Amino acid sequence: QQPVQSPQAVILREGEDAVINCSSSKALYSVHWYRQKHGEAPVFLMILLKGGEQKGHDKISASFNEKKQQSSLYLTASQLSYSGTYFCGTERRAGAGSYQLTFGKGTKLSVIP
Amino acid sequence: DSGVTQTPKHLITATGQRVTLRCSPRSGDLSVYWYQQSLDQGLQFLIQYYNGEERAKGNILERFSAQQFPDLHSELNLSSLELGDSALYFCASSPVTSGPYNEQFFGPGTRLTVL
Repeated sequence: QQPVQSPQAVILREGEDAVINCSSSKALYSVHWYRQKHGEAPVFLMILLKGGEQKGHDKISASFNEKKQQSSLYLTASQLSYSGTYFCGTERRAGAGSYQLTFGKGTKLSVIP
Repeated sequence: DSGVTQTPKHLITATGQRVTLRCSPRSGDLSVYWYQQSLDQGLQFLIQYYNGEERAKGNILERFSAQQFPDLHSELNLSSLELGDSALYFCASSPVTSGPYNEQFFGPGTRLTVL
């Protein structure tokens, strides 16, 4: 099941903050966040694990509510370089020894001067 | 540069044809994933290979197949192509063993256009 991201798009001025939400109807092992700039490949930002552990970016923070199967990505004091499409990926068991990452449709973030 | 390479960068072909997309993972990465990205569907997981064996299958059509070779490069074969197969196809790799929680490193993608 594809996770649902909100908002679909957001426009910020430099220095403003934004929150991107991701929710799933299935039990998850982890939530991944990726950013894709126009015409480029997605780039890993962070993983949020069950139990609260977090791996990844030191300038972008996120939370993972295991009970609600929701994650939020917090972008503070946004910079022009933050522009791009943000994808959350929800990870769950796909079979013996395998785990599948299912991405949401993305949130397009535009930061303007 | 993620270290994942994909060829070709662009591919233009006609309906009914067959194409092969190639991916070389980062040095040392055993897992390869294939994704299809279209404008309205985002990133759709197709299939995962780990050290030559198929590990997970997503929304991959029967007309599509993939394999991972002993040198760990992977190929995605698309046959009987339809207009709707036009998309960006990404390959990603990760140093995963058998568990979750592993970040994936994406290649630059192959843009397929079916006319």
